[in-house]
Amino acid sequence: DQQVKQNSPSLSVQEGRISILNCDYTNSMFDYFLWYKKYPAEGPTFLISISSIKDKNEDGRFTVFLNKSAKHLSLHIVPSQPGDSAVYFCAASARKTSGSRLTFGEGTQLTVNP
Amino acid sequence: SQTIHQWPATLVQPVGSPLSLECTVEGTSNPNLYWYRQAAGRGLQLLFYSVGIGQISSEVPQNLSASRPQDRQFILSSKKLLLSDSGFYLCAWEVGSEKLFFGSGTQLSVL
Repeated sequence: DQQVKQNSPSLSVQEGRISILNCDYTNSMFDYFLWYKKYPAEGPTFLISISSIKDKNEDGRFTVFLNKSAKHLSLHIVPSQPGDSAVYFCAASARKTSGSRLTFGEGTQLTVNP
Repeated sequence: SQTIHQWPATLVQPVGSPLSLECTVEGTSNPNLYWYRQAAGRGLQLLFYSVGIGQISSEVPQNLSASRPQDRQFILSSKKLLLSDSGFYLCAWEVGSEKLFFGSGTQLSVL
């Protein structure tokens, strides 16, 4: 049972344009969502998060949008840079029931072309 | 500042051999510790987590085990590796931040 799904295994965009990475979840108990970025042969690094009481959180070039009714969140990167090329993982937790144990999606490989 | 050490970085083991991967955290006390695995082309799967010394919870039945002999040490083991144990293993920690901080990972190839 895949509770967090990233349906696009890969995404390719031009430098300077917007990258939009999508994530869907099924567990209505999830109340905290995070995005991680991973380079090859390295551990994931935290990028940005959002609580279910918000619908948007912005940090520099990165913005996460949460649509609770659709159980959907997205990560917008604008403008995209070649250094953003990495695998992006969406993650979710149900803090009231499982603490900080995160459920991850399958990841989306973003390639930003110069 | 807190740091997490995970070793080795790469490991090639024959089927049926034992496994021991070690993870240590510095600069924090009583962290929650986690082992994740990323199989080829797959997402991150939680294998084990620990909220304290000797306290291990397993998320999925498997050929692996985990132990936490000290507050900041987390060990992933197997008595006999299977081909399906190949993957990228990640140790992670957190202390009340709701964010996981990952180690650099171990690429395990079982041949």
